[in-house]
Amino acid sequence: EVQLVESGGGLVQPGGSLRLSCAASGFGFSGPWMSWVRQAPGKGLEWVATIMSDGSGTQYVDSVKGRFTVSRDNPKNSLYLQMNSLRAEDTAMYYCARVATTSSFDYWGQGILVTVSS
Amino acid sequence: QTVVTQEPSFSVSPGGTVTLTCGLTSGSVSTSYSPSWYQQTPGQAPRTLIYKTNTRSSGVPDRFSGSILGNKAALTITGAQADDESDYHCGLYLGSGIWVFGGGTKLTVL
Repeated sequence: EVQLVESGGGLVQPGGSLRLSCAASGFGFSGPWMSWVRQAPGKGLEWVATIMSDGSGTQYVDSVKGRFTVSRDNPKNSLYLQMNSLRAEDTAMYYCARVATTSSFDYWGQGILVTVSS
Repeated sequence: QTVVTQEPSFSVSPGGTVTLTCGLTSGSVSTSYSPSWYQQTPGQAPRTLIYKTNTRSSGVPDRFSGSILGNKAALTITGAQADDESDYHCGLYLGSGIWVFGGGTKLTVL
């Protein structure tokens, strides 16, 4: 059974940093691309970042470029999102998602809440 | 900047049919965007319903179908049930590992 479990969220002050982790199981982690998708309270989904299978390529939504870094450790079956210079507008539920070969997301984690507030 | 449009809300009667749409503020949605649809109930993670325009994910009932209608992607629910009351999100693939989502449609079944 495919499982994605996020951790590392919490309350952080504006300008602070946080590192999210996503532990994957139930599939060959080194194969698929992986993404982070977030959802601000009461809002729709927003794609945040994608990392390719071997970590050689990454993509980011413009609003996080230069502040967030996505990475992965394939031997540890883990995906990460390092978030720096956090802003109030980064407050959201962050989901780890597996990218299917069909250019969509086929599995999602349960999400982890990040709150940026003083 | 690519902006995806969805109806903010929609209502359907039990047993009825409803079509939700996913468009672009500039241009048309085509199969090249590999439209996908995700269902989300409050407090839960999204669940993938449809990918590549019209392919149902495993376990998704056949009352859910995807298509292109005119210049938009569409999700049609035929014979709506009470537990279809959810938020529905449309995602479009822009290529190179980049996606964009619409604002979501809140579907009420009553």
